[in-house]
Amino acid sequence: EIVLTQSPAAVSLSPGERVTLSCRASQSVSTFLTWYQQKPGQAPRLLIYDASSRATGIPDRFSGSRSGTEFTLTISSLEPEDSAVYYCQQRSAWPSTFGQGSKLEIK
Amino acid sequence: EVQLVESGGGFVQPGESLRLSCAGSGFTFTSYAMSWIRQAPGKGLEWVSTIRVNNFDKYYGDFAKGRFTVSRDNSKNMLYLQMNNLRGDDTAVYYCAKDGRAGASDSWGQGTLVTVSS
Repeated sequence: EIVLTQSPAAVSLSPGERVTLSCRASQSVSTFLTWYQQKPGQAPRLLIYDASSRATGIPDRFSGSRSGTEFTLTISSLEPEDSAVYYCQQRSAWPSTFGQGSKLEIK
Repeated sequence: EVQLVESGGGFVQPGESLRLSCAGSGFTFTSYAMSWIRQAPGKGLEWVSTIRVNNFDKYYGDFAKGRFTVSRDNSKNMLYLQMNNLRGDDTAVYYCAKDGRAGASDSWGQGTLVTVSS
């Protein structure tokens, strides 16, 4: 099973700041890495697929990148509504797995 | 507009069974793989199962193998998850999701709560 390790577990930043969330895979997942955003009481929402492609309707302040088995989600200028938990998921091999999540709080 | 509506959740005792349903609309159901993902109270997301369009290729998390069965009825735009021999650690909100490009789940239902307790 491929293990995804996300960091940091939690971070608190102010509006307008930049944040980088990390997701490290225990082995190669190629680009089959997806990022989701989940707000309290809501279903997750797709942000980034194929490591770096933005989903429909996602603002361009969200971006994804890959370096080997290290993936990053960057939010370039935080908005208050970005407060959420962010998860990565790999679909390179079965079973598919999720990271444990990174909680982002906007001060 | 894509809509996914889950139903069938509820309160059951350990060892009992439950069948979840997911009705899809607003997209060509027969063109997409579908997945179940769950979330225990206060915990993270956990992938449960994925079924391809052909209703033959099915994949499960280790905890689900031998106890859960995923199926779909393409004529009715319905996805199902039969869960047998339920345990307390199966307590979670179960989401169905439509899988798009690169296997990403691009649309999710609102979830249905399954509670397993004696």
